[in-house]
Amino acid sequence: NAGVTQTPKFQVLKTGQSMTLQCAQDMNHNSMYWYRQDPGMGLRLIYYSASEGTTDKGEVPNGYNVSRLNKREFSLRLESAAPSQTSVYFCASSEARRGAFFGQGTRLTVV
Amino acid sequence: EDQVTQSPEALRLQEGESSSLNCSYTVSGLRGLFWYRQDPGKGPEFLFTLYSAGEEKEKERLKATLTKKESFLHITAPKPEDSATYLCAVQANRMDSSYKLIFGSGTRLLVRP
Repeated sequence: NAGVTQTPKFQVLKTGQSMTLQCAQDMNHNSMYWYRQDPGMGLRLIYYSASEGTTDKGEVPNGYNVSRLNKREFSLRLESAAPSQTSVYFCASSEARRGAFFGQGTRLTVV
Repeated sequence: EDQVTQSPEALRLQEGESSSLNCSYTVSGLRGLFWYRQDPGKGPEFLFTLYSAGEEKEKERLKATLTKKESFLHITAPKPEDSATYLCAVQANRMDSSYKLIFGSGTRLLVRP
């Protein structure tokens, strides 16, 4: 049972480059999330999707776009990477009022 | 605005020394409060869900409690393997039925042998 799978695990980008972080879950959950985690700042919500076909902005959406491709997959795109986007990115999924399950994270460095 | 504050930021305990972590929250209608454990280099691992004031949940040396304004994670006789960052999150009632989680910044727990 894989749970939530994120790819890639590590990535180094140059300023201005673009990339897409992939996330897939096999638990048939409706809700999916993208968070970033920075030292001393906890987990901050970038975007979330309450169900297939819907997406909404979280606390820190600027510089990011998302796509809920189907019920399983939720991708995060950086169109023009900036050093301020250096962070650890986590994808998560949940169902109704139950706890969310997280992937192992993507460590992104923008130089 | 929904808000979650955790204290202390860091806590050092001797093995066997019981203590509590605090999570204070402000939310317009609580749908659920969640506790997670996070080890270095890994994603958060779900521990407990609490739904209403007075509710308690236990797992091994951990016990989570909930009031109308805060939650406590009690650690009884901790062991070094309990060392981790503990995160608290809340989920608010929303008309649009969205289920976004708002996290606190966590408590880093170190248990020394």
